[in-house]
Amino acid sequence: KAGVTQTPRYLIKTRGQQVTLSCSPISGHRSVSWYQQTPGQGLQFLFEYFSETQRNKGNFPGRFSGRQFSNSRSEMNVSTLELGDSALYLCASSRTGSGANEKLFFGSGTQLSVL
Amino acid sequence: GENVEQHPSTLSVQEGDSAVIKCTYSDSASNYFPWYKQELGKGPQLIIDIRSNVGEKKDQRIAVTLNKTAKHFSLHITETQPEDSAVYFCAAIDSGNTPLVFGKGTRLSVIA
Repeated sequence: KAGVTQTPRYLIKTRGQQVTLSCSPISGHRSVSWYQQTPGQGLQFLFEYFSETQRNKGNFPGRFSGRQFSNSRSEMNVSTLELGDSALYLCASSRTGSGANEKLFFGSGTQLSVL
Repeated sequence: GENVEQHPSTLSVQEGDSAVIKCTYSDSASNYFPWYKQELGKGPQLIIDIRSNVGEKKDQRIAVTLNKTAKHFSLHITETQPEDSAVYFCAAIDSGNTPLVFGKGTRLSVIA
């Protein structure tokens, strides 16, 4: 069974640009969550999508957005990039997501560098 | 909302020794406490979890304990090996429709 796939693996952008990251969950998983990982801050929750609907949202500015498609694949977009957006962005999938006390399966992440 | 504190942020142990990582949480409604291990270049992977109706759980060399009264839980790794070197994250979640909240992580180094 294929794991969670995130593309691209690495990205280098400049300030002011926008970026789109992609996540393909494990087959049968309907929940996709996104986390930002930075040194010293751990894993900060961005948002969760379930059946194409955003179910939860973390405390990030509106420049961070996402969506989920009917096949459960998800994308997240960051507009007007800032230097502080440099981070590892992790996607995690599970069968039903939030509150279900389920195991999260993480992808290897997309390392975003903003210059 | 839930807040999870994790200590220490870094931990070095000699191979064969034990390692303990401690976490505290703030929301008394939290009832599920997983631990994730992140190896270099990979995403976090669940290694053990515990629910609020259980005080301790073991899986080979790793164990987790939970004290609901004090709102803290701990990860214990015995007979550490070099392959245990990684970043470990604790997390907590309640039964509502809320996301998992992670601690800031502990970088464990096992010295051969």
